[in-house]
Amino acid sequence: DAKTTQPNSMESNEEEPVHLPCNHSTISGTDYIHWYRQLPSQGPEYVIHGLTSNVNNRMASLAIAEDRKSSTLILHRATLRDAAVYYCIPTLQTGANNLFFGTGTRLTVIP
Amino acid sequence: NAGVTQTPKFRILKIGQSMTLQCTQDMNHNYMYWYRQDPGMGLKLIYYSVGAGITDKGEVPNGYNVSRSTTEDFPLRLELAAPSQTSVYFCASSYSRLLYEQYFGPGTRLTVT
Repeated sequence: DAKTTQPNSMESNEEEPVHLPCNHSTISGTDYIHWYRQLPSQGPEYVIHGLTSNVNNRMASLAIAEDRKSSTLILHRATLRDAAVYYCIPTLQTGANNLFFGTGTRLTVIP
Repeated sequence: NAGVTQTPKFRILKIGQSMTLQCTQDMNHNYMYWYRQDPGMGLKLIYYSVGAGITDKGEVPNGYNVSRSTTEDFPLRLELAAPSQTSVYFCASSYSRLLYEQYFGPGTRLTVT
């Protein structure tokens, strides 16, 4: 599994953009970069994933470095509901036993 | 759809007791998973199932057993509970092996004293 490095915690003001970084320098060529988040007292939920190109969906954007050794999850306008732990998980796109969660980044949104 | 439901929400066990954590999904998903999350840590996979009658070990299976007799249900059995099994347990399901499709339940908080 590719090792990841994420900040333990970050803060953002409400309504401002948030950039959550992730380093995954040992990522393999077939690994996708998945992002999940875990709201307080809930199970994780899928946010976004990508392979090489930048990706957008209704929740967030994912910017992937050209060398794929790092990526950034972008929340365009943070809301209080976005306060959660965000996990960056480089792994194969398939495989029932391949979703490995690290300790993630705890995002605090300040009203 | 209710999605993935887990019971109970909370449980306190004494050392050596046994219990079954229940997990049910109503999305007709083939794949189901059990994870545990220790305080301040990420999730670790305990067991998973790719369909009724088929189960396999994950990263931390010791001290647990599972069965999958129906598509909907995937119970996790703890025999001879130990303090090291104090954790929050999450069940998840997915239609396929695609890792961005896992849907998680709300969790069961278990304390073993």
